[in-house]
Amino acid sequence: SQQGEEDPQALSIQEGENATMNCSYKTSINNLQWYRQNSGRGLVHLILIRSNEREKHSGRLRVTLDTSKKSSSLLITASRAADTASYFCATAPSGGYQKVTFGTGTKLQVIP
Amino acid sequence: ETGVTQSPTHLIKTRGQQVTLRCSSQSGHNTVSWYQQALGQGPQFIFQYYREEENGRGNFPPRFSGLQFPNYSSELNVNALELDDSALYLCASSLRDGTYEQYFGPGTRLTVT
Repeated sequence: SQQGEEDPQALSIQEGENATMNCSYKTSINNLQWYRQNSGRGLVHLILIRSNEREKHSGRLRVTLDTSKKSSSLLITASRAADTASYFCATAPSGGYQKVTFGTGTKLQVIP
Repeated sequence: ETGVTQSPTHLIKTRGQQVTLRCSSQSGHNTVSWYQQALGQGPQFIFQYYREEENGRGNFPPRFSGLQFPNYSSELNVNALELDDSALYLCASSLRDGTYEQYFGPGTRLTVT
């Protein structure tokens, strides 16, 4: 079963615009990660935010985490055609092993 | 630094057959996880291996089994294939250092007919 639900399921924007994706999860977490997947191939790790952090930046990426609402958002600023991909949030549980549980994904299309 | 590799890239099998998928971890990584990704879905955790022992399992039946070797490469074996086993199988390697960051291979696309 999926831990996270992502919203929207699909998003289409013009190049240069910002893209925001949201993720909700169900159980306590150690951290939340965002991954990108191009054309149904391997996933690429983008950014990790720990449960005691509220916001994190990496280049054009900004991630927020609200553990009280069990939700996170990923903002991609000044989008490029190369950002076209599926984006997944993934959660690692508090304690225990490194099982990472993925959400359902947001399919982003950036139109040149 | 060598990335994660998987073989084969594509595979077509018949229902009831058995399949073995292979993964070579990133250099120095001691943990490998396997995921099944159905079309249009997020990856689903199958199991994880740490130092050659299974270290956690998702909601998959026993006909899904695995091995991790001393060089940290890994195999996923699936017996008695079913049509629903058709999916992209991903392996991911990581270090057990609290970072939780996983490095994924390109995946093996399995089609069961």
